[in-house]
Amino acid sequence: GESVGLHLPTLSVQEGDNSIINCAYSNSASDYFIWYKQESGKGPQFIIDIRSNMDKRQGQRVTVLLNKTVKHLSLQIAATQPGDSAVYFCAENRAYGNEKLTFGTGTRLTIIP
Amino acid sequence: DTAVSQTPKYLVTQMGNDKSIKCEQNLGHDTMYWYKQDSKKFLKIMFSYNNKELIINETVPNRFSPKSPDKAHLNLHINSLELGDSAVYFCASSQVNGETQYFGPGTRLLVL
Repeated sequence: GESVGLHLPTLSVQEGDNSIINCAYSNSASDYFIWYKQESGKGPQFIIDIRSNMDKRQGQRVTVLLNKTVKHLSLQIAATQPGDSAVYFCAENRAYGNEKLTFGTGTRLTIIP
Repeated sequence: DTAVSQTPKYLVTQMGNDKSIKCEQNLGHDTMYWYKQDSKKFLKIMFSYNNKELIINETVPNRFSPKSPDKAHLNLHINSLELGDSAVYFCASSQVNGETQYFGPGTRLLVL
């Protein structure tokens, strides 16, 4: 079946280091992807998005990479801070027929002081 | 100045009761959503409304009934609550269906 999945359920990174969170998707028709951050006790918060006509997009300390050939999405966070500790979700919009976001299972990122 | 707000934040109730969760957005968005997040953090869409019209209705028991009195509000009523309904329910909104969604703080429902 179609799915949006993550390779690693948990990730621990030393403060100040860079982190990479990966996401695999299986629907080649998806044309829009979003990364969300969910801190404990809060709702998911938009971080960055990318469309399928791009392979890289940068924000403040974050970069999203899209590899359509292998249906892979990644979120890079530079110079991690304690406030980056959260669960990170990728989501895809499957463009044809059913316009909705489908979320991956999430990766818990822990920043070690 | 909350963009998407939900009430209540916590809801503890007995099995068999009926309860409602309210959601309001002040972003001027046309589309609103309800999601259920289970204990493993998996987010699953339940419903979405566009300009008060139901456009997505996932496989959800008919004990769950959404209602949108206007495009800034989307409420969720749950009849005959069951233990398995315990979860965090998130409301979200977006300007365009399927595009970037902004989430509320969640309602933590515990059915005893």
